[in-house]
Amino acid sequence: DTGVSQNPRHKITKRGQNVTFRCDPISEHNRLYWYRQTLGQGPEFLTYFQNEAQLEKSRLLSDRFSAERPKGSFSTLEIQRTEQGDSAMYLCASSLGGGWGGRSTPPNEQYFGPGTRLTVT
Amino acid sequence: GENVEQHPSTLSVQEGDSAVIKCTYSDSASNYFPWYKQELGKGPQLIIDIRSNVGEKKDQRIAVTLNKTAKHFSLHITETQPEDSAVYFCAASLAYSGAGSYQLTFGKGTKLSVIP
Repeated sequence: DTGVSQNPRHKITKRGQNVTFRCDPISEHNRLYWYRQTLGQGPEFLTYFQNEAQLEKSRLLSDRFSAERPKGSFSTLEIQRTEQGDSAMYLCASSLGGGWGGRSTPPNEQYFGPGTRLTVT
Repeated sequence: GENVEQHPSTLSVQEGDSAVIKCTYSDSASNYFPWYKQELGKGPQLIIDIRSNVGEKKDQRIAVTLNKTAKHFSLHITETQPEDSAVYFCAASLAYSGAGSYQLTFGKGTKLSVIP
């Protein structure tokens, strides 16, 4: 399977614990995105990487959240001191894009992984 | 920032009938509009997309139309089948952006039920 993969698929943790999720994008994709989805809502953007550079962060990404993509391949999302409000599906997506200042081809087609469902008790 | 509204929130149709889902967006700079299908326990699956330089795009039983002036776009599914039952999301973004903002802004979703 050459799609986006995420691990673990499910995580149950106690409030106050730290958790880390991993995303492996489609191999040739240079852009990687993290989104959060709560029940009955559409995904909400958290952050975006182009290669190893984190280029954009949403205000939803509090200082308890940190994301990395150290070698421009897989990415990790860590949540420190989890709260019950962090319970959600965390989705990763990847896309293929051009460089700065030019038109990207194809236009921002983002392919999502299966998600990691986090439950904070 | 961008705001995307999606209607209806739920839609039930008889097998074989057509289904239409509508979205509006607020940022006139948005120029890329994908549609995703999400089944229970799975991530969103890209099913069709349209760019702002095109008014309509078709792929077998699904089609998307875009009205840039009115800032709305729609998904049309013809000859619906039970396997079309899922939650559908529209989204908007900047496909080409020197500032590097490629985030997708999603609607809240439409739960489509196709009754056999």
